[in-house]
Amino acid sequence: SQQGEEDPQALSIQEGENATMNCSYKTSINNLQWYRQNSGRGLVHLILIRSNEREKHSGRLRVTLDTSKKSSSLLITASRAADTASYFCATTNFGNEKLTFGTGTRLTIIP
Amino acid sequence: EAGVAQSPRYKIIEKRQSVAFWCNPISGHATLYWYQQILGQGPKLLIQFQNNGVVDDSQLPKDRFSAERLKGVDSTLKIQPAKLEDSAVYLCASSLVGLHYGYTFGSGTRLTVV
Repeated sequence: SQQGEEDPQALSIQEGENATMNCSYKTSINNLQWYRQNSGRGLVHLILIRSNEREKHSGRLRVTLDTSKKSSSLLITASRAADTASYFCATTNFGNEKLTFGTGTRLTIIP
Repeated sequence: EAGVAQSPRYKIIEKRQSVAFWCNPISGHATLYWYQQILGQGPKLLIQFQNNGVVDDSQLPKDRFSAERLKGVDSTLKIQPAKLEDSAVYLCASSLVGLHYGYTFGSGTRLTVV
């Protein structure tokens, strides 16, 4: 079963704008991860945030985690055409390394 | 470092036929996973190995799917007999042991059952 639900399901923005995607999950987590998937390809790990962290940065990526609301957001700043992809959040629970994925957000960057 | 290798890249079979997928994880990664991704959905875990032992196969349809990991390295996933609803991308991933490492995914095998 899917643990996370991403919102929105699809997002189109102009190149250079910021893109924000949200993820909600159902049960307590150990960590939350974000992955990117280009069409027809495998998933690429972007960033991992632990349950005791609230914010994390990596290059143009900023991830926040609110465990009280069971939600996370991924912000991509100064978007580029190459950022066009599907983005998935995934969670692990305590005592289990299994990653459970959400339904994904399809991001399209318009040149 | 070399990535996770999967083959074949694409496979088309008729329903009721059998098919096998192969995965070679990153050297040193003890944990290996097979995921099924149906078009438009997120990946769903089929089976998780640690070394050559099964950790979780609760979502593997065992009447038709089987998987093994020989000597704790390469792994194969088999479907016999295939159904139309098995059409999906089958992704293999590996990771280091521990709860704070991301997974490295292969490019996947796209299976079409006709």
